[in-house]
Amino acid sequence: GEDVEQSLFLSVREGDSSVINCTYTDSSSTYLYWYKQEPGAGLQLLTYIFSNMDMKQDQRLTVLLNKKDKHLSLRIADTQTGDSAIYFCAESPNAGNNRKLIWGLGTSLAVNP
Amino acid sequence: NAGVTQTPKFRVLKTGQSMTLLCAQDMNHEYMYWYRQDPGMGLRLIHYSVGEGTTAKGEVPDGYNVSRLKKQNFLLGLESAAPSQTSVYFCASRRTSGAGSYEQYFGPGTRLTVT
Repeated sequence: GEDVEQSLFLSVREGDSSVINCTYTDSSSTYLYWYKQEPGAGLQLLTYIFSNMDMKQDQRLTVLLNKKDKHLSLRIADTQTGDSAIYFCAESPNAGNNRKLIWGLGTSLAVNP
Repeated sequence: NAGVTQTPKFRVLKTGQSMTLLCAQDMNHEYMYWYRQDPGMGLRLIHYSVGEGTTAKGEVPDGYNVSRLKKQNFLLGLESAAPSQTSVYFCASRRTSGAGSYEQYFGPGTRLTVT
């Protein structure tokens, strides 16, 4: 079945790089997403990558996609305390027309001063 | 644009009581979703709608009903609340086409406690 897995916790020091990893199972996925959830708030789209891309860079964020291994990563350069949040990986399977997303459980990123 | 709004933000119910959560979006999105978020469980889809007048079941629909009488509103009802429905409920919407059309826009959430 469809599944998205990610590690639950990551702790980094301020100024270091953070790398959050995600694996997925559906090879037909068209879009893969990273959403960010700050404490007490809803989820916000951080970035996404189309399945025909290997890499996408947006300021401090770099997304790497390895389709062969079905592995997605999010790198945050120069991590700041404001980056402390839960990061969700999600995939959008190509099948079906209801556009449901398959969600990981989220990685809680703690940034220590 | 206000985006996606949810009413109420917080609610405490007694077991057996009923309530309706309201989600409204002003982006003219066709698709709308209701999720619940529980610790260690991530986001689970309760019900969704692909257009006005249509609804469909998600992963965990039992104990909930929904209605989409107007395109901009998606209502989630609990007919007889149970403690297992204590959760944070999120509504989301998305457009049907265009670049990034798979992006879901989320509301701020409703924190529901059932005692």
